[in-house]
Amino acid sequence: AQTVTQSQPEMSVQDAETVTLSCTYDTSENNYYLFWYKQPPSRQMILVIRQEAYKQQNATENRFSVNFQKAAKSFSLKISDSQLGDTAMYFCAFMKFQYSGNTPLVFGKGTRLSVIA
Amino acid sequence: DTGVSQNPRHKITKRGQNVTFRCDPISEHNRLYWYRQTLGQGPEFLTYFQNEAQLEKSRLLSDRFSAERPKGSFSTLEIQRTEQGDSAMYLCASSLIVRNTIYFGEGSWLTVV
Repeated sequence: AQTVTQSQPEMSVQDAETVTLSCTYDTSENNYYLFWYKQPPSRQMILVIRQEAYKQQNATENRFSVNFQKAAKSFSLKISDSQLGDTAMYFCAFMKFQYSGNTPLVFGKGTRLSVIA
Repeated sequence: DTGVSQNPRHKITKRGQNVTFRCDPISEHNRLYWYRQTLGQGPEFLTYFQNEAQLEKSRLLSDRFSAERPKGSFSTLEIQRTEQGDSAMYLCASSLIVRNTIYFGEGSWLTVV
């Protein structure tokens, strides 16, 4: 079974600064996807960024980028130019690729990020 | 474009009562997922459907929990004889089989008193 570990329960960052959230995972699979989801207080979970394991290039989405180290099974999220609206719980998640349809997401326990003005 | 809709958003019930949550997925999404999330924790997988077929159930889903997706459209999650440990947010999500992006609803909060 796959597991996802987020070792930072809480983090804080000054606005306009950069912060990195850590995630490690354990799997014996070779084909899979990794995700970072954001859950603002009392609001729904939304996708921040996605990485396909077969791609060596790290994914980027505007101010969000990842550092994907497949051999180390590490998948960190970097948020540049942090904004107050980035305050949220951030979840790292794993999905196994299957031709018959991908498996459900497996989530880590989350990191609570606070952006301070 | 409507997203994943969940009802009710909040439910307070007495221990021992039955509760039912409904999820309406994004139109044409053939996959539908249920997760449970407690405060300060990540979502835990409960079960998922492909069209009307229930493909997998987690060990977390005791025999007091049942989920259905008649006709492959909306889904219901029923909890019988609720216990205080059932207090959590129940998240529904949907996707297309061939896509890896899963869309979440806003969740249904359950408080058992």
